[in-house]
Amino acid sequence: QSALTQPASVSGSPGQSITISCTGTSSDVGGYNYVSWYQQHPGKAPKLMIYEVSNRPSGVSNRFSGSKSGNTASLTISGLQAEDEADYYCSSYTSSSTLWVFGGGTKLTVL
Amino acid sequence: QVQLQESGPGLVKPSGTLSLTCAVSGGSISSSNWWSWVRQPPGKGLEWIGEIYHSGSTNYNPSLKSRVTISVDKSKNQFSLKLSSVTAADTAVYYCARNQRRAFDIWGQGTMVTVSS
Repeated sequence: QSALTQPASVSGSPGQSITISCTGTSSDVGGYNYVSWYQQHPGKAPKLMIYEVSNRPSGVSNRFSGSKSGNTASLTISGLQAEDEADYYCSSYTSSSTLWVFGGGTKLTVL
Repeated sequence: QVQLQESGPGLVKPSGTLSLTCAVSGGSISSSNWWSWVRQPPGKGLEWIGEIYHSGSTNYNPSLKSRVTISVDKSKNQFSLKLSSVTAADTAVYYCARNQRRAFDIWGQGTMVTVSS
């Protein structure tokens, strides 16, 4: 069982917006602004999409945005495109001795 | 730009030791970053294994701490992972990654390690 809770799957049609949630505790998501999001296509390494809750690395489309409220972080993808179909993972720094925790991953299907 | 490349045996026998190396190119391992190992069992999610700083300071996932050693070789610009007493549950794709801005911003391509006799 992963430390952070994500929905197993979400779906949307091209052009629509979707949001993926990531729920933790006050020891991780709620306690620090160190939430990050990763996109992983089949057989590929994860790719950083969002860091420090809402910052986009250079080169990442502005269709990707992040936010946080309490112990839940969210990744929103607007203007869905076929290439966005992938698995998405959240991660957070934690005050526990584990230091870094991940969510179980969410499979995004573009209909 | 910085690139990471994992290398090591793809097959390890049960009770043996898994050994992997991550070569850093395009930058120095002595930069102000931590360097991590992350694994992903087939069809499952990501698990952080541990991290190292160029000074040799380390942090490990408590669930693996008794079996894990991460080391750094600054002369070769690389860091390594050793996981002892492996079982089938350690079968996974192993990634090395750079920690920057409290996120894993650069990843290696990953290497599949199977534990089997």
